[in-house]
Amino acid sequence: QAQLVQSGAELKKPGASVKVSCKASGYTFINFAMHWVRQAPGQRLEWMGWIKAGNGDREYSQKFQGRVTITRDTPANTAYMELSNLGSEDTAMYFCARVWEATYLPDIWGQGTMVIVSS
Amino acid sequence: DIQMTQSPSSLSASVGDRVTITCQASYDIRNYLSWFQRKPGKAPKLLIYDASHLVTGVPSRFSGSGSGTDFTFTISSLQPEDIATYYCQQYHSLPITFGQGTRLEIK
Repeated sequence: QAQLVQSGAELKKPGASVKVSCKASGYTFINFAMHWVRQAPGQRLEWMGWIKAGNGDREYSQKFQGRVTITRDTPANTAYMELSNLGSEDTAMYFCARVWEATYLPDIWGQGTMVIVSS
Repeated sequence: DIQMTQSPSSLSASVGDRVTITCQASYDIRNYLSWFQRKPGKAPKLLIYDASHLVTGVPSRFSGSGSGTDFTFTISSLQPEDIATYYCQQYHSLPITFGQGTRLEIK
């Protein structure tokens, strides 16, 4: 069955960057897009951006524009989210989620990657 | 951005109880609404899409209704394994947005 497995927890210093991976299995990777969503402690889930795995087209939330880069490696069936210039407010659980075709619906989620930003 | 207002933020109920959560959108999202379940340490799980369609394999005690701006999620008979946080989410347009979540506890 379709599954997304994310990379492990990260501890980063302020000003650093983090790159989270999301490996897909059980479906044809290039046929679907991938959202990236995060949830900071006590905050709502918030959308960061998405990428169409087939052609690489991507769109980012205005909030993260300039700091986030979403990419994919099609032979590896893996999507990546890199966030730069980290601050304490970026401490959060980060999720990837497959997008159901022809919609924006996230139907399969990764298990989440905890990123802690601390000096 | 479309704002999603979900209530209550927490709920305590007994096994066998009927549980209802509501979600209101700030804009007409037709039926582009999902409900999903989140348990600690596990991947979030989609339960309902298009406001009322149950994902294959999800128990029939879960249901959803509504369209436009007002939506409801119901567990007809609460089971111990239903302890989780539940979220509504609109996928009418980007950015996709989420309700604040309802933490469900067993009395």
